[in-house]
Amino acid sequence: SYELTQPPSVSVSPGQTASITCSGDELGNKYVCWYQQKPGQSPVLVIYENGKRPSGIPERFSGSISGNTATLTISGTQAMDEADYYCQAWHNRLSVFGTATKVTVL
Amino acid sequence: EVQLVESGGGLVQPGGSLRLSCAASGFTVSNNYLNWVRQAPGKGLEWVSVLYNDGTTYYANSVKGRFTISRDNSKNTLYLQMHSLRVEDTAVYYCARVDDNSGYSDYWGQGTLVTVSS
Repeated sequence: SYELTQPPSVSVSPGQTASITCSGDELGNKYVCWYQQKPGQSPVLVIYENGKRPSGIPERFSGSISGNTATLTISGTQAMDEADYYCQAWHNRLSVFGTATKVTVL
Repeated sequence: EVQLVESGGGLVQPGGSLRLSCAASGFTVSNNYLNWVRQAPGKGLEWVSVLYNDGTTYYANSVKGRFTISRDNSKNTLYLQMHSLRVEDTAVYYCARVDDNSGYSDYWGQGTLVTVSS
């Protein structure tokens, strides 16, 4: 089955940059999106189509893809960005979520 | 305003059945792709099923043959019928609207908890 691999955790100091990777076979041929989920809340879309930002999402969130690795970057990280982050893509008509990355703002 | 409201969760014994509902407002379910996604306690997101606007359905291998996704256009509501429930199906179940071009979900419900336990 298709898998998307993310690092389990990323730690970042306030104001610094956090980068979260998502790797999968042939990922460069797919659209990748990213969700933020805080405890007890539903996921929120923060990046779609690899690098587009939905209305209302701060500019400090950006996305890119190179080869088979997608990256979510949070520039100038704030305490409110502490959350779990998931990538998502579709493979053979089935959707797959990444293994989740917990971002801790120290 | 787009809203999705799930209901129907609860406690069920292993081997039992349950039907989840997702009432939509602000858009028409029959014109959209819709997902069910679940999250076991303390675990990550797991995709469960999708229903296309043309009625095509797909399922994760973990639920194929046991779960059925459907919709009632007159009620603008999405459903997930779950049979032969297992302890490992215990999770919060979310419905979400899916973009039909690139597959992202821009709107999610608040989730409904299903607990499978004896």
